[in-house]
Amino acid sequence: TQLLEQSPQFLSIQEGENLTVYCNSSSVFSSLQWYRQEPGEGPVLLVTVVTGGEVKKLKRLTFQFGDARKDSSLHITAAQPGDTGLYLCAGRKGGSEKLVFGKGTKLTVNP
Amino acid sequence: SQTIHQWPATLVQPVGSPLSLECTVEGTSNPNLYWYRQAAGRGLQLLFYSVGIGQISSEVPQNLSASRPQDRQFILSSKKLLLSDSGFYLCAWSVPGAGANVLTFGAGSRLTVL
Repeated sequence: TQLLEQSPQFLSIQEGENLTVYCNSSSVFSSLQWYRQEPGEGPVLLVTVVTGGEVKKLKRLTFQFGDARKDSSLHITAAQPGDTGLYLCAGRKGGSEKLVFGKGTKLTVNP
Repeated sequence: SQTIHQWPATLVQPVGSPLSLECTVEGTSNPNLYWYRQAAGRGLQLLFYSVGIGQISSEVPQNLSASRPQDRQFILSSKKLLLSDSGFYLCAWSVPGAGANVLTFGAGSRLTVL
């Protein structure tokens, strides 16, 4: 069973559209991170959220951590082709040194 | 600044042959080190992690093994590769005990087993 479920798995939109991707779990996480990965490269950290209900903004990207710290969302406003990539959420449980990843949302933004 | 190097970048190996992927980190000491595998551009599966020299935790039973002979060196090995070992292997490091355990990844090693 997958600890972190991401949806949708694939998303293809036109430039300028808005979108939201989700990361859900039945488990509580002490922190949750979002990474973006481009083909043939390693994932790169976008943001870390640690407090339930926390909202963080990174330019056109808005990240939210659920109140119960079981889920998170990533909203992109006015998507651009440069936003294309695989978006991965990853959670840390308690003081564990392990980070568990979801399967990712593959986003394609068409010009 | 810290950097992470992973090699080789690409590898094509026959079934039954051995494997050695190497990862080194510079600019930090006593990092947590990780090996992940990614199949077909999807999610990352944790294979091994290490919190210190000689300390290896295995997450998934398989024909792979990991070693940490030096503080900043992490090696992924196999004695006999299987077709199912094909994939994109990622090494990563983090600061131990840090609140969110942020991972910094290497560029990855793409393994094709034929």
